[in-house]
Amino acid sequence: ELKVEQNPLFLSMQEGKNYTIYCNYSTTSDRLYWYRQDPGKSLESLFVLLSNGAVKQEGRLMASLDTKARLSTLHITAAVHDLSATYFCGCDMRFGAGTRLTVKP
Amino acid sequence: NAGVTQTPKFQVLKTGQSMTLQCAQDMNHEYMSWYRQDPGMGLRLIHYSVGAGITDQGEVPNGYNVSRSTTEDFPLRLLSAAPSQTSVYFCASRVSPAFQAFFGQGTRLTVV
Repeated sequence: ELKVEQNPLFLSMQEGKNYTIYCNYSTTSDRLYWYRQDPGKSLESLFVLLSNGAVKQEGRLMASLDTKARLSTLHITAAVHDLSATYFCGCDMRFGAGTRLTVKP
Repeated sequence: NAGVTQTPKFQVLKTGQSMTLQCAQDMNHEYMSWYRQDPGMGLRLIHYSVGAGITDQGEVPNGYNVSRSTTEDFPLRLLSAAPSQTSVYFCASRVSPAFQAFFGQGTRLTVV
């Protein structure tokens, strides 16, 4: 059965700092997705990674996919408060447990 | 463009009661799924459907039933609600399992 594991589950950052969220999955899928969820809201799609070596960037977020290692990363550059949310990676119909990111001034 | 619509948004049930959570999508997606979200456990797949008339179990199907009579609708039925079913429920639709999911607004269910 497909398993998707994220770490860390909780991340508290200072504004301006960099950090990476990791997502490991257990199948040979070549597609992976990142979603953002604000408190009390639904999930919104952030990135769609469609092949090995894929890299997508939007603003201070950059996602990458290594299908051989079955690993995706979500890198946060110079964090700002607006990035505070829970981030999920997803593969096929499974999702990780989510990383709750808090960016402090 | 409505996307995925879930109703109700909030519901309180007494233990043993039954109810149906509604989900409708207007994107003509074949694949629809139900998830529950609990603190620290992410999204867990309850049931899914690959097209009208076809459903299958996910990770946590016990206590829930589904049916798919049309492409648009995928209701989730709680047969006899239990406090362990207190959760936030999300419906999602997608073109196929390997494509991104589009989520409804969620239903916050409390069973007392």
